Amino acid sequence: GAGVSQSPRYKVAKRGQDVALRCDPISGHVSLFWYQQALGQGPEFLTYFQNEAQLDKSGLPSDRFFAERPEGSVSTLKIQRTQQEDSAVYLCASSDSRQRRDTKSYEQYFGPGTRLTVT
Amino acid sequence: AQSVTQLDSHVSVSEGTPVLLRCNYSSSYSPSLFWYVQHPNKGLQLLLKYTSAATLVKGINGFEAEFKKSETSFHLTKPSAHMSDAAEYFCVVSDRRGSQGNLIFGKGTKLSVKP
Repeated sequence: GAGVSQSPRYKVAKRGQDVALRCDPISGHVSLFWYQQALGQGPEFLTYFQNEAQLDKSGLPSDRFFAERPEGSVSTLKIQRTQQEDSAVYLCASSDSRQRRDTKSYEQYFGPGTRLTVT
Repeated sequence: AQSVTQLDSHVSVSEGTPVLLRCNYSSSYSPSLFWYVQHPNKGLQLLLKYTSAATLVKGINGFEAEFKKSETSFHLTKPSAHMSDAAEYFCVVSDRRGSQGNLIFGKGTKLSVKP
């Protein structure tokens, strides 16, 4: 079946522009996560949804970052007034929360990411 | 708080020789641990996971990892490297608090495989 997809794959924005990054999770996956991966670093958690509810946004670096998942499926990460330090790969992952009942593992399936470059 | 430390930023091996990528973790409870691989311009792929069952975990592509609580380690091994193993590898711990399950990644180890 189809995996997690993200669009666009590449985005170049001028400093100060707003951008919107889209994530299509695996169909039926309840949980959705956004991560930010700076060059040469491991991904860092941004925010987490369970269905349409945003349960954790503690990783969002500033109030310029906003995420939504209004119908509990597709999610959008919006960055307002982009800055150069926002340049990174933004990764989306989804998981089937039913896995939590048998083990405490969370198998997250990652999309290919959106590479954002702010000039 | 949970964290992982990958002890080597870059490991280089010859094709056909063993691979060892080191990882130490810190966790306030029994952790869930993972290894992910990231090939250039491709998404992260789960290699294997430890979830408090067997301490020796077998993954895809011949990789294994052993959970050692006394050493707080979860090193990744493979008996014989293949050219296609060249990639970035991340050791990961799950931060499980209530319904949350975000992953905490190490900084990564870049594996190079020489012919």
